Amino acid sequence: GQQLNQSPQSMFIQEGEDVSMNCTSSSIFNTWLWYKQDPGEGPVLLIALYKAGELTSNGRLTAQFGITRKDSFLNISASIPSDVGIYFCAGQPDGANNAGNMLTFGGGTRLMVKP
Amino acid sequence: DAGITQSPRHKVTETGTPVTLRCHQTENHRYMYWYRQDPGHGLRLIHYSYGVKDTDKGEVSDGYSVSRSKTEDFLLTLESATSSQTSVYFCAIGSGDNQPQHFGDGTRLSIL
Repeated sequence: GQQLNQSPQSMFIQEGEDVSMNCTSSSIFNTWLWYKQDPGEGPVLLIALYKAGELTSNGRLTAQFGITRKDSFLNISASIPSDVGIYFCAGQPDGANNAGNMLTFGGGTRLMVKP
Repeated sequence: DAGITQSPRHKVTETGTPVTLRCHQTENHRYMYWYRQDPGHGLRLIHYSYGVKDTDKGEVSDGYSVSRSKTEDFLLTLESATSSQTSVYFCAIGSGDNQPQHFGDGTRLSIL
């Protein structure tokens, strides 16, 4: 089963608000990835992080690879309606123990628009 | 996206029938993966391939088999479909070396 704890599970946003979500693990990862999934589509890569402490931006999105290598967060600034969707974190363990380059996924954060 | 095509995109079939889903890539990536996505379970790995004719089991492999006879194609077969295999199935590809996986648009499979 999943080994990554992703929170929050869901949240409502109002246009213009900043959003923050995070993932934690009991294991160390060499790579952290953040994906977004829109309805009826597959997950799309947003940001990839390869080094502990790394802070990377992609437009209004910023993600960080935690110093302990056991966590990562994703921030979205000034949210817009098209930010709605499900965001997944994924971690990739040390290559020596992961010959198949497999990923471990978080359970997802569902972003919805406040009515 | 990312040169991945899944077919069919939707399928409805009956319990006990065989079903084969196809994933085709144009990126020449070494690794290919099959996942299923269900509410409350997120993405779970079924099988993966690390080269032509080289495959291994994932987390939820029971009831599924795979084949990879050439680099670009990875087939997922349900030998005798059951209602518990109703799900959305995603194929992903990766080049290895800790590079990210990229996903297809999925196949929605309903087994009645």
